[in-house]
Amino acid sequence: DAGVIQSPRHEVTEMGQEVTLRCKPISGHNSLFWYRQTMMRGLELLIYFNNNVPIDDSGMPEDRFSAKMPNASFSTLKIQPSEPRDSAVYFCASSRTDKGETQYFGPGTRLLVL
Amino acid sequence: EDQVTQSPEALRLQEGESSSLNCSYTVSGLRGLFWYRQDPGKGPEFLFTLYSAGEEKEKERLKATLTKKESFLHITAPKPEDSATYLCAVQGWNSGGSNYKLTFGKGTLLTVNP
Repeated sequence: DAGVIQSPRHEVTEMGQEVTLRCKPISGHNSLFWYRQTMMRGLELLIYFNNNVPIDDSGMPEDRFSAKMPNASFSTLKIQPSEPRDSAVYFCASSRTDKGETQYFGPGTRLLVL
Repeated sequence: EDQVTQSPEALRLQEGESSSLNCSYTVSGLRGLFWYRQDPGKGPEFLFTLYSAGEEKEKERLKATLTKKESFLHITAPKPEDSATYLCAVQGWNSGGSNYKLTFGKGTLLTVNP
């Protein structure tokens, strides 16, 4: 079975540009999570969707970040405008329910903002 | 607020030299403790979930154990391919209503030399 799919795998952009990260969760999973990983802060939850509805966005750093899940098989995380401090690895994960089923992670998008 | 501390930050072993990684946690009612393995440039890969003190799980050379305050990941006769970062995460019951939320430690970087 295909795991969580993320694109692009690497993104290099200049400060001020819009960045869109994409995620396809595992088929049949109804919970989706966006995480950010940095050396300083480790893995941090940004936003959580259940059945395509955003449930908890308290981890989103600021208004420059937004996320959508238009259907059960696709989600986007957008940064506009991007800043150098947004440089990190962004992971998408999915799970089967909102009651704590194991989260399975995608390969991540490594973002570098110059 | 849930907290996870992993030690040591880095561990270097010779092939065949057994050791243990530690994960200390505080959580408002443990729903589950998760161990993941992360290879460079990849997403975290699920290893184990432990639910109650005294529980143990094994997979090949890895064995995870759980007490009320900490978890250990024991590595028996490691091989170079066991080299990776090992992440521990906890999930609490209704942690502010967010019983899906994983709180991660910063990981232990394990290097096994041939």
